[in-house]
Amino acid sequence: DAGVIQSPRHEVTEMGQEVTLRCKPISGHNSLFWYRQTMMRGLELLIYFNNNVPIDDSGMPEDRFSAKMPNASFSTLKIQPSEPRDSAVYFCASSPGLNYGYTFGSGTRLTVV
Amino acid sequence: TQLLEQSPQFLSIQEGENLTVYCNSSSVFSSLQWYRQEPGEGPVLLVTVVTGGEVKKLKRLTFQFGDARKDSSLHITAAQPGDTGLYLCAGGGGSNYKLTFGKGTLLTVNP
Repeated sequence: DAGVIQSPRHEVTEMGQEVTLRCKPISGHNSLFWYRQTMMRGLELLIYFNNNVPIDDSGMPEDRFSAKMPNASFSTLKIQPSEPRDSAVYFCASSPGLNYGYTFGSGTRLTVV
Repeated sequence: TQLLEQSPQFLSIQEGENLTVYCNSSSVFSSLQWYRQEPGEGPVLLVTVVTGGEVKKLKRLTFQFGDARKDSSLHITAAQPGDTGLYLCAGGGGSNYKLTFGKGTLLTVNP
């Protein structure tokens, strides 16, 4: 199994531009999570999908952030327009169930200048 | 809001030393997980503990879940440079899908 696959690994963009982050979860995992990690705030949950349905998006910072999961093998996190304070490492994780733990991707390091 | 406090925040030791890092909360968790994160990578699950007082061993790593399921510790014996990384604890609340993560302990083991 290739694990959770995220792309791109690095993204540098100018303020105001649209950014799309992509994730392919592990086959058979029915839960998918998007996290943001910064030094100041640690890992923050942005949104959780179960069976492709968004269950909780209370962690999404504001309307500039949106996420979709059109099928069991693909999810996107979009930021439009991007701002410098969005600079962080964004992780996607999938899980077959809570007590099994999460498998994280390698992350996308986003820099907004 | 459930919070997990990890201590120490930073730890730098020499190869061969023993160490313990802590994860504390005022909330009860139904399960607690430990992850290790290396630079440029995502966290990797080390262990899950679900029973109060439970102790699990993974080679030189010993994990303990507090009796009241509010705290946990990770003890490393004879640390090696390969143990260097950010150690994160994460608590789960039964049917609550959300894992609450601590901010981590950044461990550096010097050769």
